[in-house]
Amino acid sequence: QVQVQQSGPGLVKPSQTLSLTCAISGDSVSSNSAAWNWIRQSPSRGLEWLGRTYYRSKWYNDYAVSVKSRITINPDTSKNQFSLQLNSVTPEDTAVYYCARHIGAFGTIDSWGQGTLVTVSS
Amino acid sequence: DIQMTQSPSSLSASVGDRVTITCRASQSINNYLNWYQQKPGKAPNLLIYAASSLESGVPSRFSGSGSGTDFALTISSLQPEDFATYYCQQSYSIPLTFGGGTKVEIK
Repeated sequence: QVQVQQSGPGLVKPSQTLSLTCAISGDSVSSNSAAWNWIRQSPSRGLEWLGRTYYRSKWYNDYAVSVKSRITINPDTSKNQFSLQLNSVTPEDTAVYYCARHIGAFGTIDSWGQGTLVTVSS
Repeated sequence: DIQMTQSPSSLSASVGDRVTITCRASQSINNYLNWYQQKPGKAPNLLIYAASSLESGVPSRFSGSGSGTDFALTISSLQPEDFATYYCQQSYSIPLTFGGGTKVEIK
């Protein structure tokens, strides 16, 4: 059974960088059939997909246009995990952040992290 | 981006009621439509994938239907543990997008 476990700080100052990590068990970040995503949820924006990383003979990334200039998602094959970095945060980036696995022909999100409430405040 | 519109945004129902939630996509997504249940303080949980396929372990009172742009999630007989918020999500194209959610409350 696949599990993803998130870690990272819950408070970030405005203009600084939000950094979260997602550790994978029961699957590989290098899987040829999965993609590893970051999704956030806030009352104002609902569930918002931020981006993903995946391996298909080489590494690929896709990012949401709304954060494309500020986001980086990186795999770490040595630790079987992936990370999120979101630069230049503002209070509008306050949300619960989830890591998740996206898999299968119909692209289901079948494994979610526990969620991390990240508050952007000085 | 494909916009997903759910209705209603909330509903009140009683245990044993039949409940239907609808989801409309801004363009055809074939059957690349998934449904999730979310309870307070928890991550969403997959119920239905490919519009009508029941995820393993999900009770058979949940069912999904539709294709193209119009979809529905039906709970045939609402149980106490079903009071939650439900989301649709399209996986036809990137970016993945979600509906705004339907909160099912106790009448």
